[in-house]
Amino acid sequence: DVKVTQSSRYLVKRTGEKVFLECVQDMDHENMFWYRQDPGLGLRLIYFSYDVKMKEKGDIPEGYSVSREKKERFSLILESASTNQTSMYLCASSLFRNEQYFGPGTRLTVT
Amino acid sequence: LAKTTQPISMDSYEGQEVNITCSHNNIATNDYITWYQQFPSQGPRFIIQGYKTKVTNEVASLFIPADRKSSTLSLPRVSLSDTAVYYCLVAPSGGNTGKLIFGQGTTLQVKP
Repeated sequence: DVKVTQSSRYLVKRTGEKVFLECVQDMDHENMFWYRQDPGLGLRLIYFSYDVKMKEKGDIPEGYSVSREKKERFSLILESASTNQTSMYLCASSLFRNEQYFGPGTRLTVT
Repeated sequence: LAKTTQPISMDSYEGQEVNITCSHNNIATNDYITWYQQFPSQGPRFIIQGYKTKVTNEVASLFIPADRKSSTLSLPRVSLSDTAVYYCLVAPSGGNTGKLIFGQGTTLQVKP
């Protein structure tokens, strides 16, 4: 079975802090994704990567950056956390773009 | 990018068949239709994918008419554990072209 793990299930940070969310997959998938999920808005794509060191912006990249130095690891970075970035963050990986395997999510609260 | 439209919510009873329809009028020739299921506090889970006509697996069936402007996810004999949010997704299957869009999904509530 594909396993996608995320570094934390729950995280509380202060406004202005730099936040790192890490995601690791164990199936040698080319594609990796970061989403955020908010009530009433569904899942929104922040960034995705289709190869090591490659990245593309999703629909809401503002305020975020990503890093993919190794194939199995995809990191989401909030350079200066703000309260409007309080959300559930979901990482996913896939071999074929549409069949994505999701991690358990990180619920981030920025105070 | 093809935008999808699906009902916000649906109710059903245990043992019934549930059909959730997704509209995607601007679907492109190389787009596939994929459905995901999400339980509370969990990430979405891939259910089924198709390109045209009918696809069936152990979980669900997917019906796609010839014009591909809509699709219907069919869940046979639902149980309480099928209560979840169901997302319809339209995008190319391979490569790195295009972006992925999850809509708001359909919240299915199965009642006893």
